[in-house]
Amino acid sequence: DAGITQSPRHKVTETGTPVTLRCHQTENHRYMYWYRQDPGHGLRLIHYSYGVKDTDKGEVSDGYSVSRSKTEDFLLTLESATSSQTSVYFCAISEGTGLRTFNYGYTFGSGTRLTVV
Amino acid sequence: DQQVKQNSPSLSVQEGRISILNCDYTNSMFDYFLWYKKYPAEGPTFLISISSIKDKNEDGRFTVFLNKSAKHLSLHIVPSQPGDSAVYFCATGRFGAGGTSYGKLTFGQGTILTVHP
Repeated sequence: DAGITQSPRHKVTETGTPVTLRCHQTENHRYMYWYRQDPGHGLRLIHYSYGVKDTDKGEVSDGYSVSRSKTEDFLLTLESATSSQTSVYFCAISEGTGLRTFNYGYTFGSGTRLTVV
Repeated sequence: DQQVKQNSPSLSVQEGRISILNCDYTNSMFDYFLWYKKYPAEGPTFLISISSIKDKNEDGRFTVFLNKSAKHLSLHIVPSQPGDSAVYFCATGRFGAGGTSYGKLTFGQGTILTVHP
């Protein structure tokens, strides 16, 4: 029933290795977002997409890249993982910038717990 | 520079009593305010929202109050139930803004609510 799925759910990787997290949606929403959750910082925006091949940086984008080649998939890549990127990563989707987004919020995935050792 | 702050990391309340969660923001351009609830190992889920043209919005046991002059919002849960125990995030954004906001939400650090039976 979930309109948004994240994979993998858990991952342990070594420092310096590349890692790609996947977000897949079946809602055909235009907007997709990657956030990370860390104690004391709440949820911080990494990158977002406002359409296929249209992406932009959020507040904590250093060390991350994204790609969106089709509406349903938004990939987050850590080019060379560092211990500071150990976190829980959440993908979110929304229909747009209109009233519906703000009256009903984003829909979030269940998260990916990434540990960099 | 945290634009949205939840200054109480945790709150403990007795079942049946009122829970009051607080959030402060700095940017007067924000015009929509949301609350999310998050259980462990799950993604955040939307709870309630309010636009800047209102000062109160109610949905069942949940009421959000907005004080624009103080740049402060609060979430009241009455009566509190053990199932309300979760992390609560406030979030804010700019509606529309000519499309440049892309529906981005800025989140606070979260408050852990524990409701004791």
